[in-house]
Amino acid sequence: QAQLEESGGRVVQPGTSLRLSCAASGFTFRGYGMHWVRQAPGKGLEWVAFVSFDGNNKYYGDSVKGRFTISRDNSRNTLSLQMNSLRPEDTAVYYCAKDPWKAFSTSSYFDSWGQGSLVTVSS
Amino acid sequence: DIQMTQSPSALSASVGDRVTITCRASQSIRNLLAWYQQKPGKAPKLLIYQASSLESGVPSRFSGSGSGTEFTLTVSSLQPDDFATYYCQHYNGFPPTFGGGTKVEIK
Repeated sequence: QAQLEESGGRVVQPGTSLRLSCAASGFTFRGYGMHWVRQAPGKGLEWVAFVSFDGNNKYYGDSVKGRFTISRDNSRNTLSLQMNSLRPEDTAVYYCAKDPWKAFSTSSYFDSWGQGSLVTVSS
Repeated sequence: DIQMTQSPSALSASVGDRVTITCRASQSIRNLLAWYQQKPGKAPKLLIYQASSLESGVPSRFSGSGSGTEFTLTVSSLQPDDFATYYCQHYNGFPPTFGGGTKVEIK
């Protein structure tokens, strides 16, 4: 049973940076693509970024492209999201989520989710 | 990007009711559609993938159907644990996008 635990969320000022982490266990982390998905308070779900199982392929949503960077450390079973130039509209709960496929695919849904980490961007 | 439209945005139902939620895609997504259930303060939970395949451990009262641009999620007999918000999501390429959600409330 996959387990994902996010950390790093806090209150930050606009224009600053923050790094989120997601610790994975219960599955072969290096075998699966991973995602970040966010949810603004009281709103729906928005996909943020994807990294392939080997870290060689990365995709981003338009709203974060050029500001956020997804990465992974397969030796430590950890997924990260570096968020720069944060804006108030980035305020959300950020979930890490596991891809169901054991190979790189651009057709992704999310079969396991962490509990989420709240990022608040406010002055 | 492919737009996903869910209807209704909210509904009221009683325990035992049959409930159907619709999701429409702005272009054909074949059968590359997933459904999730989310309860307040919790992460979403995968219910259905590939439009009609039930995720392991999900009760059989949940079912999905459709292909192309129109899809439905049906709960055959609503149980107290089913009051939640439901989202559809396409995965016919990046970016994967979600519908706006359907909140199922107790009548």
